[in-house]
Amino acid sequence: AQKITQTQPGMFVQEKEAVTLDCTYDTSDPSYGLFWYKQPSSGEMIFLIYQGSYDQQNATEGRYSLNFQKARKSANLVISASQLGDSAMYFCAMRETGANSKLTFGKGITLSVRP
Amino acid sequence: EPEVTQTPSHQVTQMGQEVILRCVPISNHLYFYWYRQILGQKVEFLVSFYNNEISEKSEIFDDQFSVERPDGSNFTLKIRSTKLEDSAMYFCASSEPLYSNQPQHFGDGTRLSIL
Repeated sequence: AQKITQTQPGMFVQEKEAVTLDCTYDTSDPSYGLFWYKQPSSGEMIFLIYQGSYDQQNATEGRYSLNFQKARKSANLVISASQLGDSAMYFCAMRETGANSKLTFGKGITLSVRP
Repeated sequence: EPEVTQTPSHQVTQMGQEVILRCVPISNHLYFYWYRQILGQKVEFLVSFYNNEISEKSEIFDDQFSVERPDGSNFTLKIRSTKLEDSAMYFCASSEPLYSNQPQHFGDGTRLSIL
């Protein structure tokens, strides 16, 4: 079974509007972390935001926030006030127990911001 | 802000040749990783490295792959006899010790093209 599922096809959003990128995950580990990375067309991987499984509050980082619903095993990324530079591929990833354990990535979602 | 650096940015190699991809992790990080991303696909874990030894490796990381930390700063991935299917973007990442909520910081990647 897939551990990280990102099923949305390419997403489009109007500049200055908010957009939600979906991510569901599957784990039996009670301790895990969820990460979102942005990959622009130039190819680099940019860390955006982190949510821990025991965190009581949803993570926020500037225009990025994470809608974490633990019972539903979802960790959706919300981007507010979209900018043209937000056009990129967005990957959700999970790390299970162990400080050095690997990241498991979803297949990514392409976001295009329209002017 | 400190960053992970990877060289070269693009490597073109004949099938069957050996290739070494180089990475300089962030200086106070102790955990190191290699991932690969075949064009248009998701990011896949290859190997993690801590305390001068491999912590975990994936099924992809077979006998033709090896990693090394030859000095205090570099972290290398060697592919002994390259195949066409090794063509991909290879990412090096590093993270701080102790806490699993620390993100893995990625380099900009090396695009490997096997002819």
